Amino acid sequence: GQNIDQPTEMTATEGAIVQINCTYQTSGFNGLFWYQQHAGEAPTFLSYNVLDGLEEKGRFSSFLSRSKGYSYLLLKELQMKDSASYLCAVKEGGFKTIFGAGTRLFVKA
Amino acid sequence: DTGVSQDPRHKITKRGQNVTFRCDPISEHNRLYWYRQTLGQGPEFLTYFQNEAQLEKSRLLSDRFSAERPKGSFSTLEIQRTEQGDSAMYLCASSLEGQPKQYFGPGTRLTVT
Repeated sequence: GQNIDQPTEMTATEGAIVQINCTYQTSGFNGLFWYQQHAGEAPTFLSYNVLDGLEEKGRFSSFLSRSKGYSYLLLKELQMKDSASYLCAVKEGGFKTIFGAGTRLFVKA
Repeated sequence: DTGVSQDPRHKITKRGQNVTFRCDPISEHNRLYWYRQTLGQGPEFLTYFQNEAQLEKSRLLSDRFSAERPKGSFSTLEIQRTEQGDSAMYLCASSLEGQPKQYFGPGTRLTVT
């Protein structure tokens, strides 16, 4: 079956580092996305990993291990505006993208 | 680049009525996707178009749902005989062929009373 698991909620302090984990079991794999979604808004693209390893982009980094079916999103120097839901999504073979339920991140002062 | 637009942004309808939503993708994007999102969940894939061809359709898309993209530009999603369980945010996204990144529109929030 298809399954994407990520924690429901996390809380972190402004200025800190937080790691959001994602594990997946899908019928195909053609890349993994992370999206950010503020309440009531559309998802916005953060990262795309298709090969194993770490991709760094400013304060955000994303890691992928295909053999373990595992990814994480690392957010550094947290800001209050980073409070949002973070969606892990897998692109299966073809055009279908499967999303996890998202992790709601609360950043406190 | 004006982004993906959707119309209407909000729709309240009574059970049993038909509704139609429109999505205008980014102009040069030939790929278009429809998703449904309920509170506390991630987007669920509904269907995908490459140009005007509907290439993939989720089994979630019952026979009450139909989508079109007649000229390979804008797309419409119609729900016939709406049910309360259809209440959700309907998101449209587009992408350029060969590029994995999808750009999402602001969504249409449907409430069925």
